[in-house]
Amino acid sequence: EAGVTQFPSHSVIEKGQTVTLRCDPISGHDNLYWYRRVMGKEIKFLLHFVKESKQDESGMPNNRFLAERTGGTYSTLKVQPAELEDSGVYFCASSLDLDTGELFFGEGSRLTVL
Amino acid sequence: EDQVTQSPEALRLQEGESSSLNCSYTVSGLRGLFWYRQDPGKGPEFLFTLYSAGEEKEKERLKATLTKKESFLHITAPKPEDSATYLCAVQNAGNNRKLIWGLGTSLAVNP
Repeated sequence: EAGVTQFPSHSVIEKGQTVTLRCDPISGHDNLYWYRRVMGKEIKFLLHFVKESKQDESGMPNNRFLAERTGGTYSTLKVQPAELEDSGVYFCASSLDLDTGELFFGEGSRLTVL
Repeated sequence: EDQVTQSPEALRLQEGESSSLNCSYTVSGLRGLFWYRQDPGKGPEFLFTLYSAGEEKEKERLKATLTKKESFLHITAPKPEDSATYLCAVQNAGNNRKLIWGLGTSLAVNP
């Protein structure tokens, strides 16, 4: 069974440009999460989808970040326009049950904003 | 504010040398505490869930314990393949399901 896949694995963009990160969760997992790790800091929650609905987006830094989950399957996270402080590793995770803390993570998308 | 603090930041052991990692937490009602392992270039990999003080979980050379203020991850007779960053996270008892993470402990086991 395929795990959580993320694309791209690494993206380097200029400040002001747009980047879209994609996450394909494990098939059948209704819960999809985005987390981010900035260098030297702990992993931070961004948002949580249940199927196609945003359950909790309290961790989204500002309105330059837009997350979508089409038809309750894959999800995209768009950063527009990117700023230097957006650099970090963006992790996607999925889970079958809402109340579990057992999340299945992808390998992450490393974003570098120059 | 919910917070997780892990110590030490880094630990180097000889193969077979047992030790413990610490995770101290403050949370407004604990739903669960989680241990994950992360290898370089990979995402975190789930190890254990602990729900209440006194609970213990074991998996191979790892054993996790929980009190009302902290959790320990005991590593018995570690092997080089146990080298990784070990992350602790908590989930509060509110309506959200987000995990609050510590910075992790980087463990290196020398052969």
